[in-house]
Amino acid sequence: DQQVKQNSPSLSVQEGRISILNCDYTNSMFDYFLWYKKYPAEGPTFLISISSIKDKNEDGRFTVFLNKSAKHLSLHIVPSQPGDSAVYFCAASDRVEEYGNKLVFGAGTILRVKS
Amino acid sequence: GAGVSQSPRYKVAKRGQDVALRCDPISGHVSLFWYQQALGQGPEFLTYFQNEAQLDKSGLPSDRFFAERPEGSVSTLKIQRTQQEDSAVYLCASSPGLAGVGEQYFGPGTRLTVT
Repeated sequence: DQQVKQNSPSLSVQEGRISILNCDYTNSMFDYFLWYKKYPAEGPTFLISISSIKDKNEDGRFTVFLNKSAKHLSLHIVPSQPGDSAVYFCAASDRVEEYGNKLVFGAGTILRVKS
Repeated sequence: GAGVSQSPRYKVAKRGQDVALRCDPISGHVSLFWYQQALGQGPEFLTYFQNEAQLDKSGLPSDRFFAERPEGSVSTLKIQRTQQEDSAVYLCASSPGLAGVGEQYFGPGTRLTVT
């Protein structure tokens, strides 16, 4: 039972254009969402997050949008750069517990930015 | 500053052997998580420590998996009588807060191959 789904295994974008990565979730208890970026042979690194009380969070070239009614979030990268080529994981957490808010990850989307 | 480190980076084990994987979290981080990442999938939660206390081990796939963090810093994940299905990347993550809310900082992982 996949609670977090990234339905696009890969995405190819031209340098300078917008990259849009999508993520859907099924668990309505999730209230905190994160995007991680992963290069080969490295661990995932935190990119940006959003709480369910917001519908948008922006950090430089990265913006995350959350649509709670559709249980959908997206990551926009503008403009895309070749160094953005990596695997992007969507993750979610339900911060109901007082501790140990484990992350539930999607399967990832491979982004390739062509120069 | 130093990030999360894991050793060994690569481990090949024959089926039936026991293995021990080490995680050195960021100094002072209270929360420590172990995740298992199968090929082509996102990381999946295994277990959580708050200091030396293992508060959640709901993700451990069988009683062959055992984790400890005796002094609240370094953690070891032990797999007994390894099976081929144990082949995966094992990721350790730490977080400064008690609840582990917010971003988790991941190590590079240990790639375990069981032959």
